[in-house]
Amino acid sequence: NAGVTQTPKFQVLKTGQSMTLQCAQDMNHEYMSWYRQDPGMGLRLIHYSVGAGITDQGEVPNGYNVSRSTTEDFPLRLLSAAPSQTSVYFCASSKDRGLGEQYFGPGTRLTVT
Amino acid sequence: DQQVKQNSPSLSVQEGRISILNCDYTNSMFDYFLWYKKYPAEGPTFLISISSIKDKNEDGRFTVFLNKSAKHLSLHIVPSQPGDSAVYFCAASAGVSSGTYKYIFGTGTRLKVLA
Repeated sequence: NAGVTQTPKFQVLKTGQSMTLQCAQDMNHEYMSWYRQDPGMGLRLIHYSVGAGITDQGEVPNGYNVSRSTTEDFPLRLLSAAPSQTSVYFCASSKDRGLGEQYFGPGTRLTVT
Repeated sequence: DQQVKQNSPSLSVQEGRISILNCDYTNSMFDYFLWYKKYPAEGPTFLISISSIKDKNEDGRFTVFLNKSAKHLSLHIVPSQPGDSAVYFCAASAGVSSGTYKYIFGTGTRLKVLA
């Protein structure tokens, strides 16, 4: 079991560029989510999904898109990167529709210049 | 508006003593509370949780206490060990719709256990 995997580990973008952060889990979990971690702000929920084809917004969804075509994958798309999106991004999954422990990936450190 | 607050950014404790990490929340509709531990350059890992219908949950050296009237929870680590040095996040789970929940995290407390 690989658990939750994220790629890439590091990424540098220029303002205005787009990219997709990849997230995959092999635990057959229904619930997947994306967070960003910023100094002094803790972990803030960007988007989450309770199953294939179902997504919803979290606290800070602006500038990000998600889709969930399979149970395993939950990619996060930055449409037009901005310096304010410089952060560490974590993907997580849970079997309990968001009630219960989440399993986190190792994170992607993104810098937007 | 920060619904889950960890007011102490850092805490230092001697090895073998008790570490107490605190968390306050504002939303009385939270159903479930969790603590996560995070080491540098890694994702958070689950530590312990408590349902809103309980006031205490224990797992080995870790105990979480919930005081609903004060909207306060705390994590006790006894005895503290150097390997416990990490950032600790509390999180609360709130129902959204159709049996779905989402988490709100606190800002974290950095615990340093001194040998």
